[in-house]
Amino acid sequence: QITLKESGPTLVKPTQTLTLTCTFSGFSLSTSGVGVGWIRQPPGKALEWLALIYWDDDKRYSPSLKSRLTITKDTSKNQVVLTMTNMDPVDTATYYCAHSSDTTVTNDYWGQGTLVTVSS
Amino acid sequence: QSALTQPASVSGSPGQSITISCTGTSSDVGGYNYVSWYQQHPGKAPKLMIYEVSNRPSGVSNRFSGSKSGNTASLTISGLQAEDEADYYCSSYTSSSTLWVFGGGTKLTVL
Repeated sequence: QITLKESGPTLVKPTQTLTLTCTFSGFSLSTSGVGVGWIRQPPGKALEWLALIYWDDDKRYSPSLKSRLTITKDTSKNQVVLTMTNMDPVDTATYYCAHSSDTTVTNDYWGQGTLVTVSS
Repeated sequence: QSALTQPASVSGSPGQSITISCTGTSSDVGGYNYVSWYQQHPGKAPKLMIYEVSNRPSGVSNRFSGSKSGNTASLTISGLQAEDEADYYCSSYTSSSTLWVFGGGTKLTVL
């Protein structure tokens, strides 16, 4: 049974750096074809893909946010960490992490999400 | 503005069928058979309903089906039920640096 859970601050100030952790179980990020990514959703708005890290440490980023994002993994802890620098109120959103694999080529299992508010 | 275009809302009565469209380009929907559909109830995480255009994950009702023609994918829900009322998002793998793109979402109302 695959599960993922996001954790991190619920409130950050403008210009601060956001660090989110995705802790997962039911799969290994050292298995060929597996990836863990991040997607966000501003309140009342659509989903936006942010970043993905693959089992082989290949990393992909949304071009529009690439300069602000860093994704890393700790396979031994079953965790993926996303950092986003220079936070702005427009970054207020629910942030989800999700599992992907070359079996389905999609984000098939999602965490419950964590709401991050950017405000002074 | 989302990369994929969906109608903002659709509605139907219980027992009826509805179809939600998702229009992209040859770089995403038209170029790959990697279109997915998600159902999202208020305050909940998206749930995968369809992947690879027309495949259903285990546990998803066969009332949900997907198809694709050219740059447009479609999700059809037959035998509408009250619990189908939710937001639906399409997603596609893309050849651009952005691995996946999403639609703007469609609110389904069961009358």
